[in-house]
Amino acid sequence: GAGVSQSPSNKVTEKGKDVELRCDPISGHTALYWYRQSLGQGLEFLIYFQGNSAPDKSGLPSDRFSAERTGGSVSTLTIQRTQQEDSAVYLCASSLRSGSFSYEQYFGPGTRLTVT
Amino acid sequence: KQEVTQIPAALSVPEGENLVLNCSFTDSAIYNLQWFRQDPGKGLTSLLLIQSSQREQTSGRLNASLDKSSGRSTLYIAASQPGDSATYLCAASSGSARQLTFGSGTQLTVLP
Repeated sequence: GAGVSQSPSNKVTEKGKDVELRCDPISGHTALYWYRQSLGQGLEFLIYFQGNSAPDKSGLPSDRFSAERTGGSVSTLTIQRTQQEDSAVYLCASSLRSGSFSYEQYFGPGTRLTVT
Repeated sequence: KQEVTQIPAALSVPEGENLVLNCSFTDSAIYNLQWFRQDPGKGLTSLLLIQSSQREQTSGRLNASLDKSSGRSTLYIAASQPGDSATYLCAASSGSARQLTFGSGTQLTVLP
């Protein structure tokens, strides 16, 4: 079946512009995560969605970052007024989630963001 | 706050050798531990997942172990091949979101 897809695969933007990154999770996966991989910080958690519950935004680095998930499926990560330190690969992952059991997270190919 | 450490940062071995990659985590209250492979410029490929109640998992030439009490996991690769060359990442699932906290990875090179 189809895996997690992300678009665009690459994005180059000028400092100060807003960008939107899209994630399509695996069908039926109720949990969706955004992570960021940068040279200086490694791979770090940004935000988590589970079903219709309020998202866990504890990993967002600043209020310039926001995300939404429409209809429990597609998610969009928005970065406002981009800065050069936002340059990184943004990865999306999805998983099943049921009670106390924790399932494998499946990752998309990522969006490489370059802020010039 | 969960912290994950991987040792060594880089490893180079001749083809055919067996090898062990190490991962340690500071908070033993994990849900599971995942090992990933990442090739240059590519995304993450999941290799093995060990639930917190399990001690080990095997897939082909790969075997991962988990010792929650000591905060350690190892990935054993048998009969290494040049195609195994990649960065290997371990990640612990913890917290209310069960988010993954990643180590910085071990860059493995298998020489033909």
